[in-house]
Amino acid sequence: AQSVTQPDIHITVSEGASLELRCNYSYGATPYLFWYVQSPGQGLQLLLKYFSGDTLVQGNKGFEAEFKRSQSSFNLRKPSVHWSDAAEYFCAVGAKNTGFQKLVFGTGTRLLVSP
Amino acid sequence: DVKVTQSSRYLVKRTGEKVFLECVQDMDHENMFWYRQDPGLGLRLIYFSYDVKMKEKGDIPEGYSVSREKKERFSLILESASTNQTSMYLCASSLARSPREQYFGPGTRLTVT
Repeated sequence: AQSVTQPDIHITVSEGASLELRCNYSYGATPYLFWYVQSPGQGLQLLLKYFSGDTLVQGNKGFEAEFKRSQSSFNLRKPSVHWSDAAEYFCAVGAKNTGFQKLVFGTGTRLLVSP
Repeated sequence: DVKVTQSSRYLVKRTGEKVFLECVQDMDHENMFWYRQDPGLGLRLIYFSYDVKMKEKGDIPEGYSVSREKKERFSLILESASTNQTSMYLCASSLARSPREQYFGPGTRLTVT
């Protein structure tokens, strides 16, 4: 079965500093990968997705993610963090046994931004 | 613009009550989902519906049931609420063609006392 690991529960970054959130997945073939963001008290919003092609994916709000098959990773990055980026971030993978219609989510990483 | 709405943002119910959580999407999506979200556990799928009147159990269906009588509406039912069902409940929808991203509602924070 597919699984997703987000090893960092919390990360604190200074405003203006760069950010990398880690995501590792378990899946034999090419996965379908997503990053979602959840602001406090809100639902999840899609930041970016990877289905195929260029392994560097650009998303909303200046975020990007890179698919690395050799490392089974799909890490999220941003060169300069803004205070409004403080939120919880979820990585997800499309589940093959449902025709990829279901998603398996990681446990999330909470980003704190310090002034 | 894509829209998934949930009937309540906050709900407080007593143990043993029957609870209905409603979700409506206006995107003509075939798939609809109910998740619960708990700290440290991420999102766990309760039920999934891929068509009207069709449903499939997710990872944690015990204590829940669902109803989908119309394409745009997907209801989650707690037959007899218990305190361990206190959680944030998120509804999502997606197109049937895979792979597809899911669109989420704002969530319902349910407290069972």
